[in-house]
Amino acid sequence: DAKTTQPTSMDCAEGRAANLPCNHSTISGNEYVYWYRQIHSQGPQYIIHGLKNNETNEMASLIITEDRKSSTLILPHATLRDTAVYYCIVRALSGAGSYQLTFGKGTKLSVIP
Amino acid sequence: NAGVTQTPKFQVLKTGQSMTLQCAQDMNHEYMSWYRQDPGMGLRLIHYSVGAGITDQGEVPNGYNVSRSTTEDFPLRLLSAAPSQTSVYFCASSPGSSGANVLTFGAGSRLTVL
Repeated sequence: DAKTTQPTSMDCAEGRAANLPCNHSTISGNEYVYWYRQIHSQGPQYIIHGLKNNETNEMASLIITEDRKSSTLILPHATLRDTAVYYCIVRALSGAGSYQLTFGKGTKLSVIP
Repeated sequence: NAGVTQTPKFQVLKTGQSMTLQCAQDMNHEYMSWYRQDPGMGLRLIHYSVGAGITDQGEVPNGYNVSRSTTEDFPLRLLSAAPSQTSVYFCASSPGSSGANVLTFGAGSRLTVL
């Protein structure tokens, strides 16, 4: 069963913020939200993760709703190099959900010049 | 640090042949795992290991064997390759199996079985 739901594809104009949503309505209290991206057929690249609070790093910001049932990945100034498939996954702190990770099909983000 | 290294990058096999995909990490990570990715699909977990000497099955383990004799290495063996195993394979590792640990992926191994 899919733990997360993401739109199949999105477009974003170069230089604008890209906001990628993810629904994880069945998330439990000990599950982290992780975002990865995959450019062409390269290995997935870690972007950011969070548990309850919003997080920001040099690549992106992660906004998690208060009920933790959804989150949004924000790329503040999208460039052509951000064109990729973005995966939102949940990973439990411990137990089977911590090592049996499920990747869905992700969101194909196309940054338009 | 090299991170997660996968070899070979490309391989063509005939049906029934055997081979081993190598995965090595130099970060002293306890957790290692293998995924396969088919066209237009997300990644599916094949096998994983939470430490040396410990392995377990993921979502799609049939046709694959693994072992973990050292912390650094986690090879994936195809005993009798089938065309259905044509895919891109990714190895990943993290410091531990806890969800607080970031998973680092290798560059992938593209396998074609004729």
